[in-house]
Amino acid sequence: GESVGLHLPTLSVQEGDNSIINCAYSNSASDYFIWYKQESGKGPQFIIDIRSNMDKRQGQRVTVLLNKTVKHLSLQIAATQPGDSAVYFCAENSGYSTLTFGKGTMLLVSP
Amino acid sequence: DTGVSQDPRHKITKRGQNVTFRCDPISEHNRLYWYRQTLGQGPEFLTYFQNEAQLEKSRLLSDRFSAERPKGSFSTLEIQRTEQGDSAMYLCASSLLLAGYNEQFFGPGTRLTVL
Repeated sequence: GESVGLHLPTLSVQEGDNSIINCAYSNSASDYFIWYKQESGKGPQFIIDIRSNMDKRQGQRVTVLLNKTVKHLSLQIAATQPGDSAVYFCAENSGYSTLTFGKGTMLLVSP
Repeated sequence: DTGVSQDPRHKITKRGQNVTFRCDPISEHNRLYWYRQTLGQGPEFLTYFQNEAQLEKSRLLSDRFSAERPKGSFSTLEIQRTEQGDSAMYLCASSLLLAGYNEQFFGPGTRLTVL
């Protein structure tokens, strides 16, 4: 299938490792953030979200950290699996109802 | 399948032709969004509806593009006089705005190729 990950920053990890994907957002007024996973030829899939009044939120195997001081968001994936291989996007919502997406990071997990 | 669906999944057309894409959102969702994604980039917002009303349009949405959501359910996106630069993945998303959360669920997209 066609890749959406050409020319993207790439993180290569071994199966079982923990992965950390980083994102710098642009608008200090953004109050809501989402991480999406996109596999080749598919639409983005929601992973986890966080509001600006929080600095950490945990899901199943995933944790999102928000540092508003430096406008930085990270996604931590525990015990990374080959099925986690995809392009990951952070998106910010600055209150205008639309999402602004970052450039994306390709995660490659080798067995 | 109760997710967002889009039709067609792929469209190849010649420059100058008109094309129309359809999006069926998750049934209880009141908001519907259109995005465009080119290779290696994140999705870019085009427009969104709350129920039948088109509330916002991006500057990316030239006058050759028009979107409708006549009954507040499905939506169509039409591109007139297509250009090669219109080649992209067109993504639809829907959401139910609750207490400030705006979790948008995306469809599989329509891949447009303009020859």
